Amino acid sequence: ETGVTQSPTHLIKTRGQQVTLRCSSQSGHNTVSWYQQALGQGPQFIFQYYREEENGRGNFPPRFSGLQFPNYSSELNVNALELDDSALYLCASSRTSGRGQFFGPGTRLTVL
Amino acid sequence: GIQVEQSPPDLILQEGANSTLRCNFSDSVNNLQWFHQNPWGQLINLFYIPSGTKQNGRLSATTVATERYSLLYISSSQTTDSGVYFCAVEQGDKIIFGKGTRLHILP
Repeated sequence: ETGVTQSPTHLIKTRGQQVTLRCSSQSGHNTVSWYQQALGQGPQFIFQYYREEENGRGNFPPRFSGLQFPNYSSELNVNALELDDSALYLCASSRTSGRGQFFGPGTRLTVL
Repeated sequence: GIQVEQSPPDLILQEGANSTLRCNFSDSVNNLQWFHQNPWGQLINLFYIPSGTKQNGRLSATTVATERYSLLYISSSQTTDSGVYFCAVEQGDKIIFGKGTRLHILP
């Protein structure tokens, strides 16, 4: 069984740029959630995708957007990057039947 | 919105000691999970436990949904248990994490 993978591992961008992060879900999982984790904080829920549709969203502005593809992989796009967007971005996959979420290793984004 | 509070925020123990971590939540939830985040940032799924008690080796967890809390027990701590422990609850279409308990096990 393949676990959740994310790419890239690390990324450095400058303020105002745009970034795309990628996630491949665990085999058999059809739901993907994205989280932002600032240093020393717990993960903050950004949004969740199920059947290629957004299925829930946290308190993040519209410049955070996402996609889910037919193979259940997903992308997180962030436009007009701000310094405060520097964080670890985590992706998690799950089944609609429950049993919990399983996380990827994360992408560490630094905005200069 | 729902509040998730974890205690204690920090815990330092000697190897071999036992510990209890607590997660309180302010409203009814659909699901609850416990995670361990290692020093490299990887979140490891420990328990999916919306209610009841589960055990996995030296770790066990109990959720009392009617009283809105969950407990994570770690027995005979090892240095590899160090890291941050998070509980996360699911309510409707949102998933909320607590701020975590930072556990440091001394050799």
